[in-house]
Amino acid sequence: GAVVSQHPSWVICKSGTSVKIECRSLDFQATTMFWYRQFPKQSLMLMATSNEGSKATYEQGVEKDKFLINHASLTLSTLTVTSAHPEDSSFYICSASRGGGTNSPLHFGNGTRLTVT
Amino acid sequence: DAKTTQPTSMDCAEGRAANLPCNHSTISGNEYVYWYRQIHSQGPQYIIHGLKNNETNEMASLIITEDRKSSTLILPHATLRDTAVYYCIVRWWAPGVKAAGNKLTFGGGTRVLVKP
Repeated sequence: GAVVSQHPSWVICKSGTSVKIECRSLDFQATTMFWYRQFPKQSLMLMATSNEGSKATYEQGVEKDKFLINHASLTLSTLTVTSAHPEDSSFYICSASRGGGTNSPLHFGNGTRLTVT
Repeated sequence: DAKTTQPTSMDCAEGRAANLPCNHSTISGNEYVYWYRQIHSQGPQYIIHGLKNNETNEMASLIITEDRKSSTLILPHATLRDTAVYYCIVRWWAPGVKAAGNKLTFGGGTRVLVKP
């Protein structure tokens, strides 16, 4: 079945530094990937939609200059948290589907737990 | 996308069937019902989805009422590993629509605890 891989699974960084998270679709091409964020005891919140070869679409309230998304190929999207601060500590999860106008379900990576000290 | 209403939590006994209800009274014709679950500290796992017919796969069964305003996810023989948060989501889709329109919006879900 479809598999979405995220790397790293966890990362600890110092305040003010940047962190890059990778999301890969392993056995299919994904023209669109989605990035979510989840705080403790809360549900997943959609941050942005990553489109291959074009700019990402951000949800209201998500700073595009802080959360940089690059979708340079059909199997890889990256999320960079720039100038991270402790309040950015969260569980970041990506998802993808075969897309292209199909009704195939979204599959999710196993998430990246970011801790900013 | 139509909103869904689920119980906040429920317990079920190991080995018994677990029936998880979901209300989606404002669902529209092009909206599918999807179920995902999230085990602690993992990404959501796809379980099943359907439009109006009942569906069954190796993980679960999905029963959708005739008016499509509610559905029930059935785990036929719950195990301890089924302890998770279960999300019922309605997702709009139409032929020819690019995946960008197919995002999933998560609600609070149902926290299911399977007890020995």
